[in-house]
Amino acid sequence: DAGVTQSPTHLIKTRGQQVTLRCSPKSGHDTVSWYQQALGQGPQFIFQYYEEEERQRGNFPDRFSGHQFPNYSSELNVNALLLGDSALYLCASSPMGKSGGYTFGSGTRLTVV
Amino acid sequence: AQRVTQPEKLLSVFKGAPVELKCNYSYSGSPELFWYVQYSRQRLQLLLRHISRESIKGFTADLNKGETSFHLKKPFAQEEDSAMYYCALGAAGGTSYGKLTFGQGTILTVHP
Repeated sequence: DAGVTQSPTHLIKTRGQQVTLRCSPKSGHDTVSWYQQALGQGPQFIFQYYEEEERQRGNFPDRFSGHQFPNYSSELNVNALLLGDSALYLCASSPMGKSGGYTFGSGTRLTVV
Repeated sequence: AQRVTQPEKLLSVFKGAPVELKCNYSYSGSPELFWYVQYSRQRLQLLLRHISRESIKGFTADLNKGETSFHLKKPFAQEEDSAMYYCALGAAGGTSYGKLTFGQGTILTVHP
């Protein structure tokens, strides 16, 4: 089992552009959460998807949106990129109902220039 | 609001010494507490959760609701324990169920 896989591992975007990050959850997991981790900080919750719906949302602007597909994989979209969006974006999966015992991916490092 | 405080950014101990990583939380509901660990060049992984009351790699943590703390302890530190440790708070049900709030992390270095 490859666990949680994220793509791409790194990318560089220009301010104002849009970006899509992808995540495949661990086999048997149906819930996907996204976190933003700025340098030197702990991960910050963006949102969580279950049954293709956003179930929980953190304190992030509407520029951050997501999607979950029938196979439980997920995408994170960020529009109108700002320099401050530069961070490591982590995807975490779990079976629904198992709060907090997440399996994390290795993340996508986004740099906005 | 949920908040997690890890007061020590860096913690250094010698091999064989006891280690305690501090974590305090703020939450008005029923909390679930976790410790996650990230070893060098590895992904973030769950170390232990308070609800299971287990010991993993010699580490234990007790939830103290009176002091709103969930400190991580190990009686004899090993060099392989060197890593970044995050304390995380979740909600046991309710509208915040599924969301984890992380502390800023503590870098533990165990010297030989």
